[in-house]
This record gives sequence, structure tokens and C-alpha cells, in this order.
Amino acid sequence: NAGVTQTPKFQVLKTGQSMTLQCAQDMNHEYMSWYRQDPGMGLRLIHYSVGAGITDQGEVPNGYNVSRSTTEDFPLRLLSAAPSQTSVYFCASSVTGGADTEAFFGQGTRLTVV
Amino acid sequence: EDQVTQSPEALRLQEGESSSLNCSYTVSGLRGLFWYRQDPGKGPEFLFTLYSAGEEKEKERLKATLTKKESFLHITAPKPEDSATYLCAVGDGGYNKLIFGAGTRLAVHP
Repeated sequence: NAGVTQTPKFQVLKTGQSMTLQCAQDMNHEYMSWYRQDPGMGLRLIHYSVGAGITDQGEVPNGYNVSRSTTEDFPLRLLSAAPSQTSVYFCASSVTGGADTEAFFGQGTRLTVV
Repeated sequence: EDQVTQSPEALRLQEGESSSLNCSYTVSGLRGLFWYRQDPGKGPEFLFTLYSAGEEKEKERLKATLTKKESFLHITAPKPEDSATYLCAVGDGGYNKLIFGAGTRLAVHP
């Protein structure tokens, strides 16, 4: 069972570059989300989606874009990378909403912006 | 403001030495309280969900409990393989999202 798959695992970007973090799930989950994890802080929600074609902002959305054209895929785009976006990024999915069912997480993407 | 606070930040135990991790929370509309385990370089892995005060759940050496303001993760006779970061999260029904605490790093030494 693949679950939630994130690519790439590691990435180094130069300031100002753009890139897309990929996330795919094979569990037919409606709810998908992106978090960033920084030392000493909890996971913080960037964007989330409650189904194909529907996305919304989380706690820290600035500098990031998302789209959800299929149930399976939820890519995260960094428009113009900044050093403050150096972090570990996790994609997650759950059956229904984000508040009352367990989330399944990918293995993470470690991003460094220089 | 919704908030989740975990304590201690780090905990070092000897193998077999039982202890508890704390998660205190304030949220406007609790839909569930979640415990996750995270190993270095990996994504969080689901452990438990608790929905109402007084509820308890167990899995091997772990037991989670819930009150109206906090949750405890009790670890009985821990082993080195229990070493990990334990994350607590609350589900905010008003905003359909999880709010995470910063985690407790647990190290169990032989």
C-alpha cells in the first residue's frame, strides 16, 4: 500500500526560483492538506482541500499556491522561493474533514532555500 | 485563540521507567484529540483519537486519556524502540483543520 507519496524527498533552491512539491494518495480520500514543520514549532497548515476543485488557505499560506484537479493529487507550488521557506513539508490526507478523522502523512520533503 | 501546548519538550527515560506526556489545549469546538508518533526523517504516524472527556485508549505500552482541558499519553515500562517525538493535535471543527503542538521528544535508554 503506497498511502501518501511525496516527491522529491530533498530539494535545494536558490532564492527566487519556483518549484512544485508533488503529493499523491491512493486511498480515495477527499481531504488533503499541506503542512510545514520547523524546529520548535508544531506542524502549521499551509493549504487544504476538501475535494477536487476546492481549496482553501490555512494558517501560513503566503508564498504558496495549490490546486486540486483530481482526488489523488494535491501539488504545492512555491512561486518565488525565499530563505524563510526553508522547512520540512508534509502532505496529508484523511477520509473526510481535517478535524475529526485520522490523517495519513507522507514521508516529507526537506527544502532548503539558499 | 486555538492553542495546543505539549510538555515537557524533551524527556529522557531509562528502559522500564514509566512516565506521562502532557497536552493541554484550548479550542472553540473540539472535534477530536489526536496523538501521533514521529520518527526522525519520517512523517507523523497516527496513534490514537479521543473524542470526549473521560475516554481512554491503549496500544501496547501506550495509554491516552482525555479531560476537558488536557490529554495525557502514559508510557508504561518503555523500551528503546519507543524513542520518538510524540505529537498532539486537536481538531477544530469550526475551521475543519488540525492544530498541532510542538511535540515531546522522548529518548529511552537501555
